[in-house]
Amino acid sequence: GAVVSQHPSRVICKSGTSVKIECRSLDFQATTMFWYRQFPKQSLMLMATSNEGSKATYEQGVEKDKFLINHASLTLSTLTVTSAHPEDSSFYICSATGLAGGTDTQYFGPGTRLTVL
Amino acid sequence: KQEVTQIPAALSVPEGENLVLNCSFTDSAIYNLQWFRQDPGKGLTSLLLIQSSQREQTSGRLNASLDKSSGRSTLYIAASQPGDSATYLCAVRRANSKLTFGKGITLSVRP
Repeated sequence: GAVVSQHPSRVICKSGTSVKIECRSLDFQATTMFWYRQFPKQSLMLMATSNEGSKATYEQGVEKDKFLINHASLTLSTLTVTSAHPEDSSFYICSATGLAGGTDTQYFGPGTRLTVL
Repeated sequence: KQEVTQIPAALSVPEGENLVLNCSFTDSAIYNLQWFRQDPGKGLTSLLLIQSSQREQTSGRLNASLDKSSGRSTLYIAASQPGDSATYLCAVRRANSKLTFGKGITLSVRP
């Protein structure tokens, strides 16, 4: 089946620094990638949708200047948390749809645990 | 606005028991519904996907049903095993491809 990877799997950083998370589709071309955020015992909240080569579409309440998304190629999207603060600590998960299994299914990455001190 | 509810939040059963996990959603205009499994600190694994025109899907010991008109879906797990312990999330997809997730049900199967 289609595989989506994320890197890093876990990151700890100091308040005020920026952190970049990569999401890659390993064996298919991802025309659309989604970024989610999950707090403990909460559901996944969609942050933004990105299509290759175009600007990301952010959900209401998500600061686009704080969460920079770049979908530069059909296999890579990056999420940069700028000037991170402790309240940004969360589990970030990406997913991708594309030509692998049609557009009905989103394939999810393993997630990135961000801890901001 | 679509809302997805999963109750209860947690469930503990003895090994071997058949069980049903419930999911309800407020807007019946869905494209499909999907059940996922999430292990602690991990990403999501898709279990079953039901198109809006379908009533159920089966995979091994899992069976998912969909009643779109009443806004409900169930995930049936037969002969539960300790390895089934995880959080199970349901998500509904709208026509714009966006998924709306429930908070999940944390299942513990006791040996």
